[in-house]
Amino acid sequence: EAQVTQNPRYLITVTGKKLTVTCSQNMNHEYMSWYRQDPGLGLRQIYYSMNVEVTDKGDVPEGYKVSRKEKRNFPLILESPSPNQTSLYFCASSLGATGGGQPQHFGDGTRLSIL
Amino acid sequence: AQSVTQLDSHVSVSEGTPVLLRCNYSSSYSPSLFWYVQHPNKGLQLLLKYTSAATLVKGINGFEAEFKKSETSFHLTKPSAHMSDAAEYFCVVRIPAAGNKLTFGGGTRVLVKP
Repeated sequence: EAQVTQNPRYLITVTGKKLTVTCSQNMNHEYMSWYRQDPGLGLRQIYYSMNVEVTDKGDVPEGYKVSRKEKRNFPLILESPSPNQTSLYFCASSLGATGGGQPQHFGDGTRLSIL
Repeated sequence: AQSVTQLDSHVSVSEGTPVLLRCNYSSSYSPSLFWYVQHPNKGLQLLLKYTSAATLVKGINGFEAEFKKSETSFHLTKPSAHMSDAAEYFCVVRIPAAGNKLTFGGGTRVLVKP
C-alpha cells in the first residue's frame, strides 16, 4: 500500500531536549516536505527536498533541521525544542523532482507538545 | 507572491443540502489548484485538482470545483452533504513557475447536522 509513515504520532517532551520525527515513503517519490499546522493558519512549509542530498527552506524553517540521505526518508530534527514549536506536523511526498501539478501524499501527522 | 483565502472558517449545513466552500487565490502565474480534506486525527487527502485542463473538475465523494480565472476563484461544491463530509477542507495553490511552492488556505471546518 502506498503510504507516508510518520513516527511518533504523539510526543510530549520538554524544552531543550533534542528530538527527531521520522518520515518514510514507499512510492519512490523525489519530492518530500515537512509542514506544521496551527489553528487558523492552515499548513506552513518548514523544509522541502527535491531529491537526495537536496534540501531547502520553506516559510518557517527557524528551529528545525532536515536531512535527505536516502530517497525514502526525510527526518525532521528539533535540536533544542521550544514551546512555540508545539504543533501538528505533517510529512508529504510527491512524484517528480519539482512536483509539477502532482498532488502531495500526506502522512497521518505527529502531534508535538513542548513543555 | 501567491496567496490563498478561504472565505469561511466554518460552514454548517444540514444533511442532504448543498455544500459550498469558497476559495480565492492570487498569483502572477498560472496555478495548479487543489482541494484537500482532513478528517480528525488524519492527514490530508486529495479531493480534486485543477492543472489547466477542464475548468470544471470532478473529485472523489461527489465533490467538484470550478476554476474561474476572471474571478480568481476555485470554489468547492457538493450537491448533497453527507454526515461523513464533516471535516476540515483546505484550498491549496501551487505555482510550477515559482519553484512549485505550495500555499495553503486557512481551512474551512464543515459541520453537517442530521
